Amino acid sequence: DVQLVESGGDLVQPGESLRLSCAASGFTFSAYWMNWVRQAPGRGLEWVAKINPEENEIYYAGSVKGRFTISRDNTKNSLFLQMNGLRADDTAIYYCTREVWWSLDYWGQGTLVTVSS
Amino acid sequence: DDVVTQSPLSLPVTLGQPASISCRSSESLEHSDGNTYLSWFQQRPGQSPRRLIYKVSKRDSGVPDRFSGSGSGTDFTLKISRVEAEDLGVYYCLAGTYWTFGQGTKVEIK
Repeated sequence: DVQLVESGGDLVQPGESLRLSCAASGFTFSAYWMNWVRQAPGRGLEWVAKINPEENEIYYAGSVKGRFTISRDNTKNSLFLQMNGLRADDTAIYYCTREVWWSLDYWGQGTLVTVSS
Repeated sequence: DDVVTQSPLSLPVTLGQPASISCRSSESLEHSDGNTYLSWFQQRPGQSPRRLIYKVSKRDSGVPDRFSGSGSGTDFTLKISRVEAEDLGVYYCLAGTYWTFGQGTKVEIK
């Protein structure tokens, strides 16, 4: 079975950094594009970033470009999101998702990031 | 900016009755490869989103056949033929080529 397990969420102060991880299992991780999607409390879904299997195609939402960095380690079946310069409006549940056919077929349970002083 | 608009944002339903959600994009979602990458997701309270439909009308494995997707170009619809209690939650469309979600439609009991 496909499993995506996020970790790394925490309470941080504005301006601080945080690194999220996603452990993937049950499929050939190195063959898939992977994405991060977030959901602020009580709000809708927002796509954050995506990365191809070879790590040479990376895209970001305008709201995080220049502050967040998506990366992966295919040898460890892991996806990462380095978040710098965090702001209050980055507070959200962050989901790791697998991409197939320009869609997201599997989602993790999410990890909560809270940015507050 | 690419805009994806769902309607209604709130949908009171009667169990056993049909329900319909609209998703409209400001630009055509037809890709140069001929496919249209519009997906629908269900999010039950306290759960992660779950994909129901991809490429406009293809149902995911395990999704009940009371769910159907249709549309083309800029206008798309998710239909539930007979709403059951387990269908309550928030539904989102995703314009894949623009990586933009709709605002979400909350399906609740009337």
